[in-house]
Amino acid sequence: DAKTTQPTSMDCAEGRAANLPCNHSTISGNEYVYWYRQIHSQGPQYIIHGLKNNETNEMASLIITEDRKSSTLILPHATLRDTAVYYCIVRVRDDKIIFGKGTRLHILP
Amino acid sequence: EAGVTQFPSHSVIEKGQTVTLRCDPISGHDNLYWYRRVMGKEIKFLLHFVKESKQDESGMPNNRFLAERTGGTYSTLKVQPAELEDSGVYFCASSQAGQGFEAFFGQGTRLTVV
Repeated sequence: DAKTTQPTSMDCAEGRAANLPCNHSTISGNEYVYWYRQIHSQGPQYIIHGLKNNETNEMASLIITEDRKSSTLILPHATLRDTAVYYCIVRVRDDKIIFGKGTRLHILP
Repeated sequence: EAGVTQFPSHSVIEKGQTVTLRCDPISGHDNLYWYRRVMGKEIKFLLHFVKESKQDESGMPNNRFLAERTGGTYSTLKVQPAELEDSGVYFCASSQAGQGFEAFFGQGTRLTVV
Protein backbone atom coordinates (compact mmCIF):
# COMPACT_ATOMS: atom_id res chain seq x y z
CA ASP A 1 0.00 0.00 0.00
CA ALA A 2 1.06 3.55 -0.69
CA LYS A 3 2.53 5.30 2.32
CA THR A 4 1.26 8.73 1.34
CA THR A 5 -2.02 10.64 1.46
CA GLN A 6 -2.94 13.16 -1.22
CA PRO A 7 -6.13 15.04 -2.12
CA THR A 8 -8.05 13.35 -4.88
CA SER A 9 -8.21 16.42 -7.09
CA MET A 10 -7.30 20.08 -7.23
CA ASP A 11 -7.89 23.02 -9.53
CA CYS A 12 -5.46 25.81 -10.29
CA ALA A 13 -5.76 28.84 -12.57
CA GLU A 14 -3.33 29.03 -15.43
CA GLY A 15 -0.34 31.20 -14.58
CA ARG A 16 -0.77 30.77 -10.85
CA ALA A 17 1.30 28.61 -8.56
CA ALA A 18 -0.03 25.12 -8.00
CA ASN A 19 0.63 23.80 -4.50
CA LEU A 20 0.10 20.07 -4.11
CA PRO A 21 0.20 18.71 -0.55
CA CYS A 22 1.22 15.25 0.56
CA ASN A 23 1.19 13.58 3.97
CA HIS A 24 3.71 10.87 4.75
CA SER A 25 3.57 10.66 8.52
CA THR A 26 5.18 7.20 8.70
CA ILE A 27 8.22 8.07 6.60
CA SER A 28 11.46 6.44 7.71
CA GLY A 29 14.78 8.20 8.07
CA ASN A 30 16.21 6.60 4.95
CA GLU A 31 13.22 7.21 2.71
CA TYR A 32 13.20 9.93 0.10
CA VAL A 33 10.14 11.86 -1.04
CA TYR A 34 9.63 11.64 -4.82
CA TRP A 35 7.11 13.31 -7.06
CA TYR A 36 6.05 11.92 -10.42
CA ARG A 37 3.23 12.85 -12.74
CA GLN A 38 1.36 11.08 -15.47
CA ILE A 39 -0.02 13.15 -18.30
CA HIS A 40 -2.93 11.35 -19.93
CA SER A 41 -1.69 7.88 -20.95
CA GLN A 42 2.00 8.68 -21.11
CA GLY A 43 4.60 7.04 -18.94
CA PRO A 44 5.05 8.54 -15.49
CA GLN A 45 7.44 11.48 -15.54
CA TYR A 46 9.90 12.21 -12.77
CA ILE A 47 9.56 15.71 -11.31
CA ILE A 48 11.70 16.08 -8.23
CA HIS A 49 12.82 14.36 -5.06
CA GLY A 50 14.32 15.21 -1.70
CA LEU A 51 15.39 13.77 1.62
CA LYS A 52 15.01 16.56 4.14
CA ASN A 53 16.09 19.80 2.52
CA ASN A 54 13.92 21.82 0.20
CA GLU A 55 14.73 21.24 -3.44
CA THR A 56 14.19 23.19 -6.65
CA ASN A 57 14.73 22.32 -10.27
CA GLU A 58 13.53 23.64 -13.59
CA MET A 59 10.14 22.02 -13.20
CA ALA A 60 9.16 22.53 -9.58
CA SER A 61 10.04 23.11 -5.97
CA LEU A 62 9.69 20.62 -3.15
CA ILE A 63 9.11 21.83 0.37
CA ILE A 64 9.55 19.22 3.10
CA THR A 65 8.52 20.00 6.67
CA GLU A 66 11.15 19.81 9.36
CA ASP A 67 9.64 16.65 10.83
CA ARG A 68 9.44 15.20 7.30
CA LYS A 69 5.86 14.10 7.83
CA SER A 70 4.51 16.15 4.96
CA SER A 71 5.62 17.95 1.84
CA THR A 72 4.35 20.29 -0.84
CA LEU A 73 5.11 20.26 -4.52
CA ILE A 74 5.01 23.71 -6.06
CA LEU A 75 4.61 24.34 -9.78
CA PRO A 76 5.43 28.06 -9.85
CA HIS A 77 3.54 29.09 -12.99
CA ALA A 78 1.08 26.41 -13.97
CA THR A 79 0.21 25.97 -17.63
CA LEU A 80 -2.46 23.86 -19.33
CA ARG A 81 0.22 21.27 -20.08
CA ASP A 82 0.62 20.68 -16.35
CA THR A 83 -2.80 19.04 -16.21
CA ALA A 84 -1.97 15.53 -14.99
CA VAL A 85 -2.16 13.10 -12.10
CA TYR A 86 0.58 13.88 -9.58
CA TYR A 87 1.99 11.13 -7.38
CA CYS A 88 3.80 11.66 -4.11
CA ILE A 89 5.92 8.63 -3.26
CA VAL A 90 8.23 7.72 -0.40
CA ARG A 91 10.93 5.23 -1.22
CA VAL A 92 14.26 3.93 -0.03
CA ARG A 93 17.13 3.77 -2.47
CA ASP A 94 16.65 1.48 -5.43
CA ASP A 95 13.38 0.15 -4.10
CA LYS A 96 10.24 -0.22 -6.17
CA ILE A 97 7.88 2.73 -6.52
CA ILE A 98 4.46 2.17 -4.98
CA PHE A 99 1.90 4.35 -6.72
CA GLY A 100 -1.20 5.50 -4.91
CA LYS A 101 -4.18 7.24 -6.44
CA GLY A 102 -2.38 10.59 -6.70
CA THR A 103 -3.88 14.04 -7.13
CA ARG A 104 -5.62 14.91 -10.36
CA LEU A 105 -4.59 18.49 -11.07
CA HIS A 106 -6.77 20.52 -13.41
CA ILE A 107 -5.29 23.73 -14.77
CA LEU A 108 -8.08 26.12 -15.64
CA PRO A 109 -7.70 28.61 -18.51
CA GLU B 1 20.94 10.32 -24.22
CA ALA B 2 18.17 7.89 -25.15
CA GLY B 3 15.47 7.31 -22.58
CA VAL B 4 13.75 4.08 -21.66
CA THR B 5 12.38 2.49 -24.81
CA GLN B 6 9.57 -0.01 -25.00
CA PHE B 7 8.45 -2.19 -27.91
CA PRO B 8 5.86 -2.49 -29.27
CA SER B 9 3.86 0.60 -28.40
CA HIS B 10 0.61 -1.28 -29.02
CA SER B 11 -0.30 -4.93 -29.29
CA VAL B 12 -3.64 -6.57 -29.93
CA ILE B 13 -3.74 -10.34 -29.50
CA GLU B 14 -6.37 -12.99 -29.07
CA LYS B 15 -6.98 -14.78 -25.82
CA GLY B 16 -4.69 -17.77 -25.56
CA GLN B 17 -1.93 -16.31 -27.68
CA THR B 18 1.53 -15.34 -26.51
CA VAL B 19 2.95 -11.81 -26.43
CA THR B 20 6.42 -10.61 -25.59
CA LEU B 21 7.06 -7.06 -24.50
CA ARG B 22 10.53 -5.57 -24.60
CA CYS B 23 12.16 -2.83 -22.56
CA ASP B 24 15.49 -1.18 -23.26
CA PRO B 25 16.61 0.72 -20.17
CA ILE B 26 18.86 3.73 -20.10
CA SER B 27 22.44 2.61 -20.65
CA GLY B 28 24.24 1.94 -17.39
CA HIS B 29 21.11 1.59 -15.29
CA ASP B 30 21.33 -1.55 -13.20
CA ASN B 31 17.79 -1.29 -11.86
CA LEU B 32 14.91 -2.21 -14.16
CA TYR B 33 11.28 -2.30 -13.11
CA TRP B 34 8.07 -3.46 -14.75
CA TYR B 35 4.67 -1.96 -13.91
CA ARG B 36 1.16 -2.39 -15.22
CA ARG B 37 -1.89 -0.17 -15.30
CA VAL B 38 -5.21 -1.80 -15.86
CA MET B 39 -7.94 0.60 -17.01
CA GLY B 40 -9.42 2.52 -14.11
CA LYS B 41 -6.92 1.17 -11.61
CA GLU B 42 -3.67 2.36 -10.08
CA ILE B 43 -0.26 1.66 -11.53
CA LYS B 44 0.90 -1.61 -10.02
CA PHE B 45 4.43 -2.88 -9.53
CA LEU B 46 5.25 -6.21 -11.17
CA LEU B 47 8.94 -6.89 -10.62
CA HIS B 48 12.40 -5.45 -10.17
CA PHE B 49 15.69 -6.55 -11.72
CA VAL B 50 19.11 -5.61 -10.46
CA LYS B 51 21.30 -6.30 -13.45
CA GLU B 52 20.21 -9.77 -14.54
CA SER B 53 18.87 -10.90 -11.16
CA LYS B 54 15.27 -10.70 -10.01
CA GLN B 55 15.37 -8.62 -6.86
CA ASP B 56 11.63 -8.56 -6.22
CA GLU B 57 8.93 -10.30 -8.20
CA SER B 58 6.20 -9.96 -5.62
CA GLY B 59 3.89 -8.14 -8.01
CA MET B 60 3.80 -10.74 -10.77
CA PRO B 61 0.15 -11.80 -11.03
CA ASN B 62 0.63 -15.47 -11.89
CA ASN B 63 2.86 -17.96 -13.65
CA ARG B 64 1.60 -16.93 -17.07
CA PHE B 65 3.98 -13.99 -16.79
CA LEU B 66 7.70 -14.53 -17.32
CA ALA B 67 10.27 -11.76 -17.18
CA GLU B 68 13.88 -12.06 -18.20
CA ARG B 69 16.88 -9.79 -18.38
CA THR B 70 19.67 -11.77 -19.92
CA GLY B 71 23.05 -10.06 -19.68
CA GLY B 72 21.63 -7.31 -17.55
CA THR B 73 20.71 -5.10 -20.48
CA TYR B 74 17.26 -5.19 -22.07
CA SER B 75 14.36 -7.06 -20.52
CA THR B 76 11.41 -8.99 -21.90
CA LEU B 77 8.06 -9.71 -20.33
CA LYS B 78 6.22 -12.64 -21.85
CA VAL B 79 2.57 -13.41 -21.26
CA GLN B 80 1.60 -16.96 -22.17
CA PRO B 81 -1.24 -17.69 -22.63
CA ALA B 82 -2.79 -14.25 -22.55
CA GLU B 83 -6.14 -13.73 -20.84
CA LEU B 84 -8.63 -10.89 -21.19
CA GLU B 85 -7.71 -9.47 -17.78
CA ASP B 86 -4.11 -9.00 -18.91
CA SER B 87 -5.16 -6.02 -21.00
CA GLY B 88 -3.62 -2.77 -19.87
CA VAL B 89 -0.59 -0.57 -20.26
CA TYR B 90 2.75 -2.08 -19.28
CA PHE B 91 5.43 0.36 -18.20
CA CYS B 92 9.11 -0.22 -17.77
CA ALA B 93 11.41 2.00 -15.72
CA SER B 94 15.11 2.07 -15.02
CA SER B 95 17.35 3.78 -12.52
CA GLN B 96 20.97 4.04 -11.62
CA ALA B 97 21.90 2.02 -8.56
CA GLY B 98 22.62 4.02 -5.44
CA GLN B 99 21.17 6.47 -3.01
CA GLY B 100 18.21 8.47 -4.16
CA PHE B 101 18.49 8.11 -7.91
CA GLU B 102 15.25 8.72 -9.74
CA ALA B 103 13.58 6.13 -11.96
CA PHE B 104 12.81 7.01 -15.56
CA PHE B 105 9.81 5.47 -17.28
CA GLY B 106 9.19 4.43 -20.84
CA GLN B 107 6.06 5.36 -22.75
CA GLY B 108 4.53 1.96 -22.18
CA THR B 109 3.09 -0.86 -24.23
CA ARG B 110 -0.67 -0.90 -24.55
CA LEU B 111 -1.76 -4.53 -24.59
CA THR B 112 -5.27 -5.47 -25.64
CA VAL B 113 -6.38 -9.07 -25.36
CA VAL B 114 -9.56 -9.83 -27.29
